[in-house]
Amino acid sequence: QVQLQESGPGLVKPSQTLSLTCTVSGGSISSGSYYWTWVRQPAGKSPEWIGRINARGNTDYNPFLRSRLTISVDTSKNQFSLELSSVTAADAAVYYCARLSGAPYWYFDLWGRGTLVTVSS
Amino acid sequence: IVMTQSPLSLPVTPGEPASISCRSSQSLLQTNGDTYLEWYLQKPGQPPQLLVYLASNRASGVPDRFSGSGSGTDFTLTISRVEAEDVGVYYCMQALHTLYTFGQGTKLEIK
Repeated sequence: QVQLQESGPGLVKPSQTLSLTCTVSGGSISSGSYYWTWVRQPAGKSPEWIGRINARGNTDYNPFLRSRLTISVDTSKNQFSLELSSVTAADAAVYYCARLSGAPYWYFDLWGRGTLVTVSS
Repeated sequence: IVMTQSPLSLPVTPGEPASISCRSSQSLLQTNGDTYLEWYLQKPGQPPQLLVYLASNRASGVPDRFSGSGSGTDFTLTISRVEAEDVGVYYCMQALHTLYTFGQGTKLEIK
């Protein structure tokens, strides 16, 4: 079955760029009409949607993060990635990649296990 | 869209029913007639898992003791008979607008 796995550094210095990759296994990132999504969850808080991308590279971003955010897809590697620049302590969270079902349902039906990102010098 | 849940903490005796309320700051009814409200359960140390979509549709593999109801701006998740495995934090989430937003969460614990 399809699985998602996040990877990337667990520690990022303030003002630097956070880079994470989600690898899709057990299926093609290009199949279906899915959107591939990033969600983060600060400790003890609710999840926060970061942004989404489809296999064609069409993106939508959280407007509160848009100026610092880039999400990209590499279909040859079956991966999609997140880059968040100029990080601060407020960006510390567990970062999840997730699959969004697409029209007409728009639900998150598959999640990675999450990766903890700490922001500290 | 702001999502507001109540209660934030819910102690329940096994076998008893439980309900969680969720209110959205605007209607989640789409012009196609569907209502874009979802419920997720996050068990300790795990990512959220989908329980209900389009307000009242149980996701695949979800026990039938879970049911979602409501319309417009007011929604309810009901567990007919709580089991020990149901502990965790329950979130409602709106999927009407692309800036998907979650409620604050309701922590269900067993008495």
